Amino acid sequence: EVQLVESGGGLVQPGRSLRLSCAASGFTFDDYAMHWVRQAPGKGLEWVSGINWKSGSIGYADSVKGRFTISRDNAKNSLYMLMNSLRAEDTAFYYCAKDMSGEMGAIKDWGQGTLVTVSS
Amino acid sequence: EIVLTQSPGTLSLSPGERATLSCRASQRVSNSYLAWCQQKPGQAPRLLIYGASSRATGIPDRFSGSGSGTDFTLTISRLEPEDFAVYYCQQYGSSPITFGQGTRLEIK
Repeated sequence: EVQLVESGGGLVQPGRSLRLSCAASGFTFDDYAMHWVRQAPGKGLEWVSGINWKSGSIGYADSVKGRFTISRDNAKNSLYMLMNSLRAEDTAFYYCAKDMSGEMGAIKDWGQGTLVTVSS
Repeated sequence: EIVLTQSPGTLSLSPGERATLSCRASQRVSNSYLAWCQQKPGQAPRLLIYGASSRATGIPDRFSGSGSGTDFTLTISRLEPEDFAVYYCQQYGSSPITFGQGTRLEIK
């Protein structure tokens, strides 16, 4: 069974940084692309970033480009998101998600999410 | 960036009825790389359809997807009580990946 467990969320002041982690299990991690998708409370889904199986292809939403950095460690079955210069509008649940293939495409499996709140 | 517009925003139907949800793209979605997912309150989303018309593993055959180019449709042939949820389309043919704003399917 695919399991994706996010951690690292919490309350942070505007302008500060936060690092999210996602521990993956139940599948061969380095065979699949991975994503971060966020959802502000009561709002819709917003794709944030994705990375292919060998970190050779990476993409970001315009809203986070230059501030957020996605990475993965296939030896540790882990996905990360470093979030710098955080803004109030970054407040959301952040989901770690597994793709259907090794390249970025349809999002198949989702974690339960971790809440990031940006507020002074 | 491809903008996906879903309609209607809210759909009110009764169990047993047929639901038709629309997703329109601002540009052609290459290779029909369009997916649909379902989200229930307090839960993570679940993939229903990928490649515009292929059902994901374990998805009942009352769910079907169709369309190409800029116009896509999710059809639920006979609504079950557990189908009332929010549905999102997602395109992955062009970067950045984008989602529609969602259609809420509620019990009439």
